[in-house]
Amino acid sequence: GNSVTQMEGPVTLSEEAFLTINCTYTATGYPSLFWYVQYPGEGLQLLLKATKADDKGSNKGFEATYRKETTSFHLEKGSVQVSDSAVYFCALMNSGGSNYKLTFGKGTLLTVNP
Amino acid sequence: DTEVTQTPKHLVMGMTNKKSLKCEQHMGHRAMYWYKQKAKKPPELMFVYSYEKLSINESVPSRFSPECPNSSLLNLHLHALQPEDSALYLCASSQVRGGPNQPQHFGDGTRLSIL
Repeated sequence: GNSVTQMEGPVTLSEEAFLTINCTYTATGYPSLFWYVQYPGEGLQLLLKATKADDKGSNKGFEATYRKETTSFHLEKGSVQVSDSAVYFCALMNSGGSNYKLTFGKGTLLTVNP
Repeated sequence: DTEVTQTPKHLVMGMTNKKSLKCEQHMGHRAMYWYKQKAKKPPELMFVYSYEKLSINESVPSRFSPECPNSSLLNLHLHALQPEDSALYLCASSQVRGGPNQPQHFGDGTRLSIL
């Protein structure tokens, strides 16, 4: 079956530090990969996506590259801000079987201190 | 601002009450979803509607009853809930065509507390 493993944290950084949140996946076929962010008291927002190997998704200074050889989709940002404090979920959707089911990682809580 | 609107934002109900959660989107999406999210956990899929027809029910107890009256609206009817049903209930929508490349767009959720 499909699964997503991400570092659970919590991760605490100072403002302007470099961020990496690791995400690896197990899936058959050719999944699409997503990062979602959940700010306190809100729903999930799509942060970025990649739909095939070597694609790089980017948004708001965040980047992630779809690495099929290592089955990874690590999230990075060069300089985090206090406003980036949130929970980050890595997720995949597979092309086999049902197209509608997102498989989520457990989430990583990021706290950025001023 | 989210493009998927959920009401109410908060709901407190007793175990014998009947209430409904509502979700609305105007993005032309023909797939709509209900998720349950407990604190510090990822969302868990409950139901999927595709073209207003129920396509996935993840073995959800019958005290949760979904309804999709048209392509923009999704309801979740609640009856005789248990304290363990207290959670954040998220609605999402997506395109159907395009398969797994289509991201799901989430609302801000309804925070439900069962007394």
